[in-house]
Amino acid sequence: SQTIHQWPATLVQPVGSPLSLECTVEGTSNPNLYWYRQAAGRGLQLLFYSVGIGQISSEVPQNLSASRPQDRQFILSSKKLLLSDSGFYLCAWSPSTVNQPQHFGDGTRLSIL
Amino acid sequence: AQSVTQPDIHITVSEGASLELRCNYSYGATPYLFWYVQSPGQGLQLLLKYFSGDTLVQGIKGFEAEFKRSQSSFNLRKPSVHWSDAAEYFCAVGAATSGGYNKLIFGAGTRLAVHP
Repeated sequence: SQTIHQWPATLVQPVGSPLSLECTVEGTSNPNLYWYRQAAGRGLQLLFYSVGIGQISSEVPQNLSASRPQDRQFILSSKKLLLSDSGFYLCAWSPSTVNQPQHFGDGTRLSIL
Repeated sequence: AQSVTQPDIHITVSEGASLELRCNYSYGATPYLFWYVQSPGQGLQLLLKYFSGDTLVQGIKGFEAEFKRSQSSFNLRKPSVHWSDAAEYFCAVGAATSGGYNKLIFGAGTRLAVHP
């Protein structure tokens, strides 16, 4: 069966520091991969998606970037964190066929001080 | 444009009572619909999905949902709520994109509280 792992689970970072969040998927190949942010008390905002290695699309302009160095690895990064980057970050995957459900990791709680 | 509306931000029910969470969608084609549940500090778990066929779909944890095309609704129901059902529930509609990925459009969520 397929599993998705995200780490770290919790992260506290100072303003201006770099960020790297990692997500890996097991048990499937060529998945679509997604990064979402969930602000406190709000719904989910899609940040990035990827349909293949090295293929990244951004949904909203922001201080963050994403990379997909391997088929089942998705990384969310920032060179300099802002206070507004605080939130709950979720990675998800779906099969590459259309209209399939997405399956989510357990998330990373990011607090910026 | 596609959208999902969950009219109820918060709902409180007593344990053992029935539950219905509302979801309305706007989508030009045949929708693919999903319900997810999120416990505090956790990721989202898929409860059920509707692709086609029988408009009443069964999911995990005793949940079901009914697709009503005429009302553009996909309401989630459970006949008897357990205290462990307290969580946030998200309705989503799936939309294929020209970019070749599966886009999910989420509602804002409904937070469910369960009284003992």
